[in-house]
Amino acid sequence: QKEVEQNSGPLSVPEGAIASLNCTYSDRGSQSFFWYRQYSGKSPELIMSIYSNGDKEDGRFTAQLNKASQYVSLLIRDSQPSDSATYLCASGESSGGSNYKLTFGKGTLLTVNP
Amino acid sequence: ETGVTQTPRHLVMGMTNKKSLKCEQHLGHNAMYWYKQSAKKPLELMFVYNFKEQTENNSVPSRFSPECPNSSHLFLHLHTLQPEDSALYLCASSQRGGEYEQYFGPGTRLTVT
Repeated sequence: QKEVEQNSGPLSVPEGAIASLNCTYSDRGSQSFFWYRQYSGKSPELIMSIYSNGDKEDGRFTAQLNKASQYVSLLIRDSQPSDSATYLCASGESSGGSNYKLTFGKGTLLTVNP
Repeated sequence: ETGVTQTPRHLVMGMTNKKSLKCEQHLGHNAMYWYKQSAKKPLELMFVYNFKEQTENNSVPSRFSPECPNSSHLFLHLHTLQPEDSALYLCASSQRGGEYEQYFGPGTRLTVT
């Protein structure tokens, strides 16, 4: 059973701080990794994708991937109250042929306090 | 707006009803997905369609019946559902088979009474 593990939180940080969200995955064959943000009552919104080891930065967000440790993280710099949401980590792996599917974690609830 | 629309946004149905959920994507993608999101559980993949062909059925009960007439439209036909089927049903689309980013629609909040 392929799994993606996340700390459910809540993770609470003060406004302006760095929020660090972590994720581990079980399938060594996973090739693509995604972070989604989901506000309460809304659908998941893609924030970042990462495919190779190292860091990928996009504005205040940095995704980090370490395939040897099967570990993905998301850093949010200068956290804002509007960043308060559940963050979903997902890994993508082949399900046969050219077909891929995503396995999602349960999500980490982030609260940014003004 | 992600370019993926879903209707209806809310649905209440009895266990003997038949209803359908509709999804449309305006992104030029060729893969579409149905997911179920229940409280306290991870997103569960239900079905995958690539170029209108079903390529994944994640052991979904037959009371859920998908239909993909073309690469832009996806339906989920519902019949004789159970109360435990109450959940948020999400449609997503991506290029090719999903190793690329998936974009979600707003979802249909389904309540089975």
